[in-house]
Amino acid sequence: EVQLVESGGGLVQPGGSLRLSCAASGFTFSSYWMSWVRQAPGKGLEWVANIKQDGSEKYYVDSVKGRFTISRDNAKNSLYLQMNSLRAEDTAVYYCARASYGDYGFGWFDPWGQGTLVTVSS
Amino acid sequence: SYVLTQPPSVSVAPGKTARITCGGNNIGSKSVHWYQQKPGQAPVLVIYYDSDRPSGIPERFSGSNSGNTATLTISRVEAGDEADYYCQVWDSSSDPSYVFGTGTKVTVL
Repeated sequence: EVQLVESGGGLVQPGGSLRLSCAASGFTFSSYWMSWVRQAPGKGLEWVANIKQDGSEKYYVDSVKGRFTISRDNAKNSLYLQMNSLRAEDTAVYYCARASYGDYGFGWFDPWGQGTLVTVSS
Repeated sequence: SYVLTQPPSVSVAPGKTARITCGGNNIGSKSVHWYQQKPGQAPVLVIYYDSDRPSGIPERFSGSNSGNTATLTISRVEAGDEADYYCQVWDSSSDPSYVFGTGTKVTVL
């Protein structure tokens, strides 16, 4: 069974840091682009970042550029999101998702993890 | 940046057909994907590449995309279809990014 399990969320003060992890199983992790997508409380979905199979390419939404870093460890089948200089507006459930990529370019997200809640508040 | 607009809500009686639109400039030239999200759960892909269904998704779910509007159609609606639905595209313009629609709450009457 393909599975993604996030961890590392919690309460952090503005300006603080947090590292999220995502453990993948049931598929060849090193063969896929991977992404982080977030959802603020009561709001819609927002893509945050994605990373190529070998980590050589990374893309970010403008609002997190320079503050967040996506990375992966294919030997451990794990995806990470280092979040620095956190702001109240970063409060959200963060989902790890497998991203499709083909001749059409970037595509869809499937599957998704259950999510981990990050709360930025003093 | 590219914007996808969905109606905030759609109400439908059991057994009837629900149509959820996703509007975007020349969206017909892009590949559109749809997700279902039930309360407290992660999103689930229900349609990809405009009209393809992942394994395990009922045939009642279908999609189309043309011009400035993509549509997710749910036939013979069931109580279990009540959820939020989001469309999504990849925008390869000057600042490439994934774009999600604003989301539509489907209520089964």
